[in-house]
Amino acid sequence: EADIYQTPRYLVIGTGKKITLECSQTMGHDKMYWYQQDPGMELHLIHYSYGVNSTEKGDLSSESTVSRIRTEHFPLTLESARPSHTSQYLCASSLADYSYEQYFGPGTRLTVT
Amino acid sequence: KNQVEQSPQSLIILEGKNCTLQCNYTVSPFSNLRWYKQDTGRGPVSLTIMTFSENTKSNGRYTATLDADTKQSSLHITASQLSDSASYICVVSDRGSTLGRLYFGRGTQLTVWP
Repeated sequence: EADIYQTPRYLVIGTGKKITLECSQTMGHDKMYWYQQDPGMELHLIHYSYGVNSTEKGDLSSESTVSRIRTEHFPLTLESARPSHTSQYLCASSLADYSYEQYFGPGTRLTVT
Repeated sequence: KNQVEQSPQSLIILEGKNCTLQCNYTVSPFSNLRWYKQDTGRGPVSLTIMTFSENTKSNGRYTATLDADTKQSSLHITASQLSDSASYICVVSDRGSTLGRLYFGRGTQLTVWP
């Protein structure tokens, strides 16, 4: 079982609210990732980080932002939630580069009404 | 265009039976291929990782094969159990960037009936 945690697991929120999805890992991994996944569809990378103070946008355009102030913590923030943000958000981490295993958290299921 | 295609999209089998899931990819240059199991509402969990030089790898009742020449992989599940009901995702990594881009398939939804 991977030591990567996400909170909350489920969130239902109204349009226009600001939300932060939390992700923490205790494996000391430098690289962390955020993916978005809709039902029956593939995962899409929306943000990644090489390490502290390093963040980059992924392949799928997202209105969310991320920060990496501590190695173990990689929160994702939506300033103003919209129904189009309804999705499953998965956080992952890896020890180093692409040849290494990515470990996924349990995900946050976000519903914006 | 780098893509990962999985078949079938969904599969229903009876408990105790075997099944094989397919993955075709066009990712180049190839680094490794991974199979993940994703239970409903959970994050993916790794089953196997195979590099170019490996053509078979087992993890308990799961056996993955890789044909790098034809760019095909399969995941064989032996003596299926109810707990095998999940989505099985094929993921291919390239080695064309320092990040290590991962290309995800849409998964095969497996349902095991008693």
